[in-house]
Amino acid sequence: EPEVTQTPSHQVTQMGQEVILHCVPISNHLYFYWYRQILGQKVEFLVSFYNNEISEKSEIFDDQFSVERPDGSNFTLKIRSTKLEDSAMYFCASRGTGSNTGELFFGEGSRLTVL
Amino acid sequence: AQSVTQLGSHVSVSEGALVLLRCNYSSSVPPYLFWYVQYPNQGLQLLLKYTTGATLVKGINGFEAEFKKSETSFHLTKPSAHMSDAAEYFCAVSTGYSTLTFGKGTMLLVSP
Repeated sequence: EPEVTQTPSHQVTQMGQEVILHCVPISNHLYFYWYRQILGQKVEFLVSFYNNEISEKSEIFDDQFSVERPDGSNFTLKIRSTKLEDSAMYFCASRGTGSNTGELFFGEGSRLTVL
Repeated sequence: AQSVTQLGSHVSVSEGALVLLRCNYSSSVPPYLFWYVQYPNQGLQLLLKYTTGATLVKGINGFEAEFKKSETSFHLTKPSAHMSDAAEYFCAVSTGYSTLTFGKGTMLLVSP
């Protein structure tokens, strides 16, 4: 069964460093998302991406964050200068064009720890 | 705007007992409703979804949920809990092409 894959599964970084989280969405999907989950809290929407541009973003997704689809298969989330409060599990998700119900397929997440 | 409220951050049941996890939603248009499960150190897995049609929806692992428009609810149930059901459960709402909005999650604890 097709799945969304994320790397790395866990990354530890120093405050102020740049981090790039990688995602390979399901191959025929065209809508891509990043969500995050701070430990013990709800899953929060960060950004959605379609047709090589951001379609929607939340208040959390400030200038420190960026997304890119560098090639036909990868979808990355970059945090320019990490802060302690960026420590969270980051989930990538994708959706097919045939789905108008909002069902998303999630990866297993990348845990980011900022020291 | 849409939102989800999950009552109870933790629910404890004994193995074999009924599982009931509560979810209420708010949406200005007909919603699509989802339950996702997250096992420890894993990602989010779709348990079941309501889009249109039958309001009682069956999912994986014996779970089901009923969409009640009059109560704006989408509670998740399972007749008999197993130890393997211990996980965190998230209710989520979408209105089609909008983003998926999650509730805060309910941790299900199952004791022998």
